[in-house]
Amino acid sequence: AQKVTQAQTEISVVEKEDVTLDCVYETRDTTYYLFWYKQPPSGELVFLIRRNSFDEQNEISGRYSWNFQKSTSSFNFTITASQVVDSAVYFCALSEAEDGANNLFFGTGTRLTVIP
Amino acid sequence: DAGITQSPRHKVTETGTPVTLRCHQTENHRYMYWYRQDPGHGLRLIHYSYGVKDTDKGEVSDGYSVSRSKTEDFLLTLESATSSQTSVYFCASRTLSSYNEQFFGPGTRLTVL
Repeated sequence: AQKVTQAQTEISVVEKEDVTLDCVYETRDTTYYLFWYKQPPSGELVFLIRRNSFDEQNEISGRYSWNFQKSTSSFNFTITASQVVDSAVYFCALSEAEDGANNLFFGTGTRLTVIP
Repeated sequence: DAGITQSPRHKVTETGTPVTLRCHQTENHRYMYWYRQDPGHGLRLIHYSYGVKDTDKGEVSDGYSVSRSKTEDFLLTLESATSSQTSVYFCASRTLSSYNEQFFGPGTRLTVL
């Protein structure tokens, strides 16, 4: 069965610090997709990134970077030089290719608070 | 961003009353989903649709039904609301490609008294 674990329930950092949000997943499928979403205090869900299981290249987008490691079943998210606007709940999610509807299975989220 | 709207955005109702939440998308996406978000659980799938009149159950479907008579609309109905259905409900949609992300609506906060 598929599962996504975000062990960090809440993290607080001081502005300009770097922070890494952990995501560990379980799946029996050989083809799967991983996602990160951001939920700011306003409540909407904002898509950040997707990765498929065959693409282990790390990605950097501005202050955001993602480290995908199949060997440890992890897809971690790092924010460099954090800002107050990064304060949000971040969700990691998994979908499997065998599931025709590609339903998303979410972790329980990590609440990040950036203190000015 | 995909054009996905939800109505109502907030609703307070009483136990035992029927409630219908509407999701409307303007992107011609084939797949649509309903999730509920509760503290400590993240988002959990209630029902999904893979086309007009084609729907299936998700992880937490008990007490909910759905209908999709048009590509753009996906309705979620609570036949007889209970306090345990107090939650924030999100609708999402995506294109046919399985690689693509789901786009989410703004959410509906439902309180059942």
